[in-house]
Order: sequence, then structure tokens, then C-alpha cells
Amino acid sequence: DTAVSQTPKYLVTQMGNDKSIKCEQNLGHDTMYWYKQDSKKFLKIMFSYNNKELIINETVPNRFSPKSPDKAHLNLHINSLELGDSAVYFCASSQAGGLTGELFFGEGSRLTVL
Amino acid sequence: AQKITQTQPGMFVQEKEAVTLDCTYDTSDQSYGLFWYKQPSSGEMIFLIYQGSYDEQNATEGRYSLNFQKARKSANLVISASQLGDSAMYFCAMGPLYNFNKFYFGSGTKLNVKP
Repeated sequence: DTAVSQTPKYLVTQMGNDKSIKCEQNLGHDTMYWYKQDSKKFLKIMFSYNNKELIINETVPNRFSPKSPDKAHLNLHINSLELGDSAVYFCASSQAGGLTGELFFGEGSRLTVL
Repeated sequence: AQKITQTQPGMFVQEKEAVTLDCTYDTSDQSYGLFWYKQPSSGEMIFLIYQGSYDEQNATEGRYSLNFQKARKSANLVISASQLGDSAMYFCAMGPLYNFNKFYFGSGTKLNVKP
């Protein structure tokens, strides 16, 4: 079983649309994240969330919103998509207080906005 | 503020040779973790190795070792006996211990292994 899974893997859409990317982890971790990897391969954290706290990177536009129906899921909703939103979005999870603090990543979702 | 710098955008290495990927960092945290991830062309992010700032010995994982020099604030990745499958992007990352909310990645190094 895949530890952190994201769907869809590829998403092509028009400017102005609203889209969602789903993420599920079966590791029993208490914290989940969304990262954005731009065309230059730079990875930047967007959100982190556990059942107590949502932390938002202040540079993320409010068109982006994470939604967590339960501890194992953290979905990413994007409203009014713009060309600059084209990127690969990675979901990740971790266990607070883990010994090595390994961050487990999903396979990424490539979003293309036309 | 934290900063991660990878100064080698691309590198070539001959198969079976060793290669060192550079990573320097800056942080005001007393305790922190340093990580290396591999991203093959397929896109997934694969965890390779971890070093805690409190660890006195350099971390090793199979053919991967982390050359940690705390005073120089460097955490270079050494890959021994390179294989064709090692061709990928490699990212250095760091953050305060147990706090991935402040987890930052470097810009990456593209490694090409030549047969």
C-alpha cells in the first residue's frame, strides 16, 4: 500500500476554474502538509495541518485552502486558477516527535493551467 | 531565518565513482535536522538520509553518507560507487527538530551519472 497517495496525478484545466487535489496517508501520522514545486524545481511549504492547528505560509494566496475531513486526509482546494498556479503539488505527512523526523511525500500532482 | 544553499545546479559523475553534492545552511535554531531527498525523473520525493545537529557521527545509509561539518554549517551528501539509477535531482533540506512547519529545501542539484 502506498503510504501517502495523491489524486489526480495530472490535472489540466482552464484559468478561472476551481479544482481540488486529494491526499491520503495510511501511516497514522498526525500532521500533513502541502508543498508546491515550481518550474525551477524549488519546493516551498504551503500549509501544515494537524488536528489542532492549521499553519499557513503567509505567501500563499487565499485562493488556496486546505480541507481535512479526518486525520488521514488533507485535500487542497484552489479557486479561480491562474497561470502561475501551474506547478507540481506534493502532499506529505510526518509524526510529531518522531525520532528522525522523516517527512513522507506523495508522488506529486502536476497541475497545468491553460 | 533559515536558509539552505545548494550551489551546484548540475553535476556529472562517471559510473562507479564517488560524488559529493554540496549543501550549506544557516539557522538560528540550536537543534535542527538536515535531510537529503532524491527526486528521479518520475517525480516522487525519496528520503535518503538524516543528520541531527546533535549527532557527533556522520550519518550513513548504504551508499549514502552525510558529511556534516557543524562549524562550517555544511551538510554535503556523498554517494559512493555511483549507479546509473542515481541520476536524479537531489535536494538538501533542514528544519528545527520535530517542526516541519519550518522545513526548507535547497534549490536542488541535478546529478547525471555517465556510463
